[in-house]
Amino acid sequence: AQKITQTQPGMFVQEKEAVTLDCTYDTSDPSYGLFWYKQPSSGEMIFLIYQGSYDQQNATEGRYSLNFQKARKSANLVISASQLGDSAMYFCAMRESLTGNQFYFGTGTSLTVIP
Amino acid sequence: GAVVSQHPSRVICKSGTSVKIECRSLDFQATTMFWYRQFPKKSLMLMATSNEGSKATYEQGVEKDKFLINHASLTLSTLTVTSAHPEDSSFYICSARERQVNNQPQHFGDGTRLSIL
Repeated sequence: AQKITQTQPGMFVQEKEAVTLDCTYDTSDPSYGLFWYKQPSSGEMIFLIYQGSYDQQNATEGRYSLNFQKARKSANLVISASQLGDSAMYFCAMRESLTGNQFYFGTGTSLTVIP
Repeated sequence: GAVVSQHPSRVICKSGTSVKIECRSLDFQATTMFWYRQFPKKSLMLMATSNEGSKATYEQGVEKDKFLINHASLTLSTLTVTSAHPEDSSFYICSARERQVNNQPQHFGDGTRLSIL
């Protein structure tokens, strides 16, 4: 089974609007971490936000917030007030404590912000 | 914050050439680094885990003799694509984790675009 599933290959959002990028995960490990990365066309991977499995509150970092629904095993990324520079690929990733360092990446969502 | 430097950023070379890519952690020690390969518009595919002072751990289907990994120090891992062929053309990216705590992300290099003619 896929560890990380991103069902939206491509998304469009109007500038200044909010957008939600979906991510669901599969693990039996009670201790895990969820990460979101942004990859612009230049290729670098930019870390955006982290959510731990034991965190009680949803993570927030500036315009990024993570809608963590543990029972549903979902960790959706919400970008508020979209900007043209937000156009990029977005990857959801998970690290399980039992497998140590290994990251599992989703297939990514390509976000395009429309002026 | 933690920075990972990857060099070179782009390589264009003839078929049969061996190409070395370096991955350095600039302000932290990394006992473990990771090498990924990414095809256009696809996700990152983990190729191998580079362990300082010991042999790398390769993912299933990745040829050890084709993709040589050396992690000789706590700040440097190298990936050598031996006798490269056009099908090896891809985007290669490395990462390292600063500390062994759950909330530490992997920090990525800027990647290397490899084009084999």
